[in-house]
Amino acid sequence: EIVLTQSPGTLSLSPGERATLSCRASQIFRSSYLAWYQEKPGQAPRLLIYATSSRATGIPDRFSGSGSGTDFTLTISRLEPEDFAMYYCQQYGDSPPWTFGPGTKVEI
Amino acid sequence: QLQLQESGSRLVKPSQTLSLTCAVSGGSISSGGYSWSWIRQPPGKGLEWTGYISDSGSTYYNPSLKSRVTISVDRSKNQFSLKLSSVTAADTAVYYCARGIDAHNIGAFDIWGQGTMVTVSS
Repeated sequence: EIVLTQSPGTLSLSPGERATLSCRASQIFRSSYLAWYQEKPGQAPRLLIYATSSRATGIPDRFSGSGSGTDFTLTISRLEPEDFAMYYCQQYGDSPPWTFGPGTKVEI
Repeated sequence: QLQLQESGSRLVKPSQTLSLTCAVSGGSISSGGYSWSWIRQPPGKGLEWTGYISDSGSTYYNPSLKSRVTISVDRSKNQFSLKLSSVTAADTAVYYCARGIDAHNIGAFDIWGQGTMVTVSS
């Protein structure tokens, strides 16, 4: 099973600032099959990025994904008030099980 | 637009079987080559993928649950289901159904149900 580690655990920033979230995998998996989700309390997760860098439908372009191998990054170029939430990375590259990281909380 | 809605038992006794259904509306479960997954989230914890059923009906389960989990589809009712047997308190979680975004990214979930909280308790 591929284990994902996310850092930092909590990111304290202000609106307008840039957020950089890291996701590291315990081993290389099938190319680029890495997704990022945003979760807010009481809501289902929302897909932001899939295939490492493709934005899902309706996702603002301030969200971007990058990476390869075992290291991946979600960047939020300028934080809006609605961006303060929990963020999870997830790999779906190899045979199941697909796994999620423990999450990074972006807080004000 | 496509929507998913979970339903089923909210309270299950230990050792019994948890049963949930995900109703698909706004589109056909049989079109587009999509896969359909269940994901769960214990209270205050992270997300755990449980398993999926492909458009061809093939199923894949998380090995941590493999012996206890069954996912099936009822195309006539436009829904798919989860059964988890021999439940314990560790199976208490919010259970989500979700759709894989496309045939090449079946493990990236673009549409989610609202989630249903299932509690295992006597």
